[in-house]
Amino acid sequence: ILNVEQSPQSLHVQEGDSTNFTCSFPSSNFYALHWYRWETAKSPEALFVMTLNGDEKKKGRISATLNTKEGYSYLYIKGSQPEDSATYLCASDNYGQNFVFGPGTRLSVLP
Amino acid sequence: SAVISQKPSRDICQRGTSLTIQCQVDSQVTMMFWYRQQPGQSLTLIATANQGSEATYESGFVIDKFPISRPNLTFSTLTVSNMSPEDSSIYLCSVPAEGAISNQPQHFGDGTRLSIL
Repeated sequence: ILNVEQSPQSLHVQEGDSTNFTCSFPSSNFYALHWYRWETAKSPEALFVMTLNGDEKKKGRISATLNTKEGYSYLYIKGSQPEDSATYLCASDNYGQNFVFGPGTRLSVLP
Repeated sequence: SAVISQKPSRDICQRGTSLTIQCQVDSQVTMMFWYRQQPGQSLTLIATANQGSEATYESGFVIDKFPISRPNLTFSTLTVSNMSPEDSSIYLCSVPAEGAISNQPQHFGDGTRLSIL
């Protein structure tokens, strides 16, 4: 069973600040890592699927990096906006059989 | 991308009762997944619902507690049986984005927020 961790558990930033948080996962038998944004009362929204060591992906003000050798991924948000407030989940893809999710980082962006 | 309709969106139930959650997808999919997120915990896979065969349950989850139906390729139900306060959670169904599972994100329903009194 994989163990996926995320830190910090929660985060409060001011509008306009940039921020980042971490997902760590077992580096052995790595297959893929997924990032999701989950707003309250909505469904989790897929942000990135990352597979290669050194991958860097970007979607607007949000970007993510991947280090499969040491087993971590960073998610960055540049110039945070109140609409970025959500829980950010990462999940390790267990060879396509199922996803193992981390506990999430709850981000609050204060206007 | 698949559109998933999940209902009810929320419910408050009495201890000892059962609730059935429905998940309808606008396209045919081979696999559907049922997850649970207890307060402060990770999103955890309960089972994979396979059309035409019994669901595959993850460790710690059993069919008697969480019976699943999958009558066709667009629909599934999860029943939470004999509920106790520990079953208070958000329950989500999901499907793979592109049919194949590998390296693809999953599309989720909006979730069912369940509270047990």
